[in-house]
Amino acid sequence: DQQVKQNSPSLSVQEGRISILNCDYTNSMFDYFLWYKKYPAEGPTFLISISSIKDKNEDGRFTVFLNKSAKHLSLHIVPSQPGDSAVYFCAASPNNNAGNMLTFGGGTRLMVKP
Amino acid sequence: DSGVTQTPKHLITATGQRVTLRCSPRSGDLSVYWYQQSLDQGLQFLIQYYNGEERAKGNILERFSAQQFPDLHSELNLSSLELGDSALYFCASSRSGYNSPLHFGNGTRLTVT
Repeated sequence: DQQVKQNSPSLSVQEGRISILNCDYTNSMFDYFLWYKKYPAEGPTFLISISSIKDKNEDGRFTVFLNKSAKHLSLHIVPSQPGDSAVYFCAASPNNNAGNMLTFGGGTRLMVKP
Repeated sequence: DSGVTQTPKHLITATGQRVTLRCSPRSGDLSVYWYQQSLDQGLQFLIQYYNGEERAKGNILERFSAQQFPDLHSELNLSSLELGDSALYFCASSRSGYNSPLHFGNGTRLTVT
């Protein structure tokens, strides 16, 4: 049972354009959402997060949007740069006292072409 | 550099053997998490410790166990290894409390032959 899904395994974008990565979840208990970037041979690197009390959070070129009614979140990267080429994982955490156990999506490989 | 240190980086061993993976969390982080990433798979949560106590458990096999020591470093023990245990094993740490992002180490790549 995949509670967090990233339906696009890959995405190719031209440098300078917008990259939009999507993520869907099924568990209504999730209330904290994160995006991670992963380069080969490295661990995932935290990018940006959003709490369920918000619908948008922005950090530089990265913006995360949350649509709770649709159980959907997206990551926008503007403008995209070749160095953004990596695998992006969305992750979600429930509102409980068990800490921040994250459930990850399967990842989307982003390729930004110069 | 996330501040999370994992050793060793690579491990090659035979079926039936036992290995120990080690993780040092970021300074000040009380929670440690272990995740497994098999080939072409997402990251699967194994287990979480908070300040020495087990806090949450995921799909961790009975052949696997973990602990967190008083100095907050953690070890993941994998025994009776099978070919299917070959994977990347990541450790992450976070501040205590709610809504803190996890910071990951660079992983240990385990190959079982």
